[in-house]
Amino acid sequence: GENVEQHPSTLSVQEGDSAVIKCTYSDSASNYFPWYKQELGKRPQLIIDIRSNVGEKKDQRIAVTLNKTAKHFSLHITETQPEDSAVYFCAASKTGGGNKLTFGTGTQLKVEL
Amino acid sequence: NAGVTQTPKFRILKIGQSMTLQCTQDMNHNYMYWYRQDPGMGLKLIYYSVGAGITDKGEVPNGYNVSRSTTEDFPLRLELAAPSQTSVYFCASRISQADYGYTFGSGTRLTVV
Repeated sequence: GENVEQHPSTLSVQEGDSAVIKCTYSDSASNYFPWYKQELGKRPQLIIDIRSNVGEKKDQRIAVTLNKTAKHFSLHITETQPEDSAVYFCAASKTGGGNKLTFGTGTQLKVEL
Repeated sequence: NAGVTQTPKFRILKIGQSMTLQCTQDMNHNYMYWYRQDPGMGLKLIYYSVGAGITDKGEVPNGYNVSRSTTEDFPLRLELAAPSQTSVYFCASRISQADYGYTFGSGTRLTVV
């Protein structure tokens, strides 16, 4: 089955700096890659996603890039703010078989003042 | 729409007891999923369903059972609770198209003592 690896496990940045989280996947048939943000004690919330026919997608301060050849995708957060502090999860799925998402192990992002 | 509703929010079980975690969605989503999230870890798929009457095992199904008699409801049953089942359980749903994200419920925090 699919395996998704995520790095780093923790990331500390100064307010206003950029943060980058990287994920790799194993199944070349995967075609959908969402990113979720989870605040302490809350449910995961979808923040951005990318499909395999697109190389990059941007939504205000967040962007995601996808390299299908290398089978990796990354989340970029610019101008970080304290409210960006949370755990971020990447995930991957392919068409069929229930379209199940396989999640990475998460990155704890801390934005320091 | 209420989205995905999970009950209860918290529960303490004794070893060997049984319980059912309830999950209901009002978005007419065909696909539903149960994940568990252990501290500091990602989400692991327990069971999923692609429609009423159809269920299948995920990555960690042992010790659990599910049923899907209606589109709206997808309960998760623990028959003989064990300490290893202490976790936060999330139910999620999505539309049938492959490249869309999940909508998560608010989670059930289960402790087995």
